[in-house]
Amino acid sequence: QQQVRQSPQSLTVWEGETAILNCSYENSAFDYFPWYQQFPGEGPALLISILSVSDKKEDGRFTIFFNKREKKLSLHIADSQPGDSATYFCAASENNNAPRFGAGTKLSVKP
Amino acid sequence: EAAVTQSPRNKVAVTGGKVTLSCNQTNNHNNMYWYRQDTGHGLRLIHYSYGAGSTEKGDIPDGYKASRPSQENFSLILELATPSQTSVYFCASGDTLYAEQFFGPGTRLTVL
Repeated sequence: QQQVRQSPQSLTVWEGETAILNCSYENSAFDYFPWYQQFPGEGPALLISILSVSDKKEDGRFTIFFNKREKKLSLHIADSQPGDSATYFCAASENNNAPRFGAGTKLSVKP
Repeated sequence: EAAVTQSPRNKVAVTGGKVTLSCNQTNNHNNMYWYRQDTGHGLRLIHYSYGAGSTEKGDIPDGYKASRPSQENFSLILELATPSQTSVYFCASGDTLYAEQFFGPGTRLTVL
């Protein structure tokens, strides 16, 4: 049973557009939500993360919006670039427990 | 220099054979993890460890054992490999509480 759900499975946007990747979770005890970026043939790498006490986190072109009541969050990638083409994973954890990952969203940015 | 390394990077095994996947980290992290990645499922947690001598079951532990003999090393053992265990396996390390996980490059395992 997937504890973390992501949508869409794949997403294509044009260069310069904002890509929106969605994530939802079941366990209300989750309080830490990292997003990982993975390029083909590599392991995932941390992109940006948020704690449940915040409703927004920005890092350059990447922004997480978090809605604790609805148990949903989203990653917005502004001014998308072809180099952003990758698979993005939403993860969630509580305390020191092992993070659980969603199935990922494959993003393609067309020039 | 890579902080999390995995060996082998590619492995072909026969059904019923024993397979050991190894992971080494130089981050001095307490926590280490094994995930498998399959299309449509993302990363699924197999086993994890809070330190040397400790192993915990993740969400899909059946058919897998884990061993953490030292702070640096964490192994995943398939005693009787099956074709359903064909996958890409990732090891990761992380510090405690709200910490970034550092992933290795992955091991592609094919069980024939």
